[in-house]
Amino acid sequence: GQQVMQIPQYQHVQEGEDFTTYCNSSTTLSNIQWYKQRPGGHPVFLIQLVKSGEVKKQKRLTFQFGEAKKNSSLHITATQTTDVGTYFCAGPEWGTYKYIFGTGTRLKVLA
Amino acid sequence: GAGVSQTPSNKVTEKGKYVELRCDPISGHTALYWYRQSLGQGPEFLIYFQGTGAADDSGLPNDRFFAVRPEGSVSTLKIQRTERGDSAVYLCASSLRDRDNEQFFGPGTRLTVL
Repeated sequence: GQQVMQIPQYQHVQEGEDFTTYCNSSTTLSNIQWYKQRPGGHPVFLIQLVKSGEVKKQKRLTFQFGEAKKNSSLHITATQTTDVGTYFCAGPEWGTYKYIFGTGTRLKVLA
Repeated sequence: GAGVSQTPSNKVTEKGKYVELRCDPISGHTALYWYRQSLGQGPEFLIYFQGTGAADDSGLPNDRFFAVRPEGSVSTLKIQRTERGDSAVYLCASSLRDRDNEQFFGPGTRLTVL
């Protein structure tokens, strides 16, 4: 079945440093979604990318969908302590409604 | 309501017992998902409803798991003969239309099977 891997698994950064997490799917995705989950909380939707090569920005966050629609990345510029949490990518198996979540990247920001 | 709600927030049960977990989606959302999440892992898909029907139940681990959504809003996840390995946080999410819409997650039900 489809697998979605994320790297790195953990990342510790100093406040103000940049952060990037990468998402790789074993199969082509029709779209990819990104979620943030704070410790003890539930996933919160950040963004959805649909088109090959698409780039979207939300303030300090930049999201990219690969040309082959099999990989994606999330880049945070100048991290803040409020960015702490686990970031998940998720995409549906092609032709199904079954969303596969990535393994997640846990971000810690040191003040 | 303002968001997706799930009850109970915590459920402790004994091995072999039957449990029901409830999800109230955002009003008007036709799509509803159930996931389960173990510590340190991403949500694992269980089942997807579009309206009253289960459009994809391929994630249900075995026939001890069953979910219904009789009127197209509230959904109940039912687990028979619970096992210790069923312990996890069960998350419900709803979205406005189909699979390509953002999912709004509820706070989850933490199930512990002793």
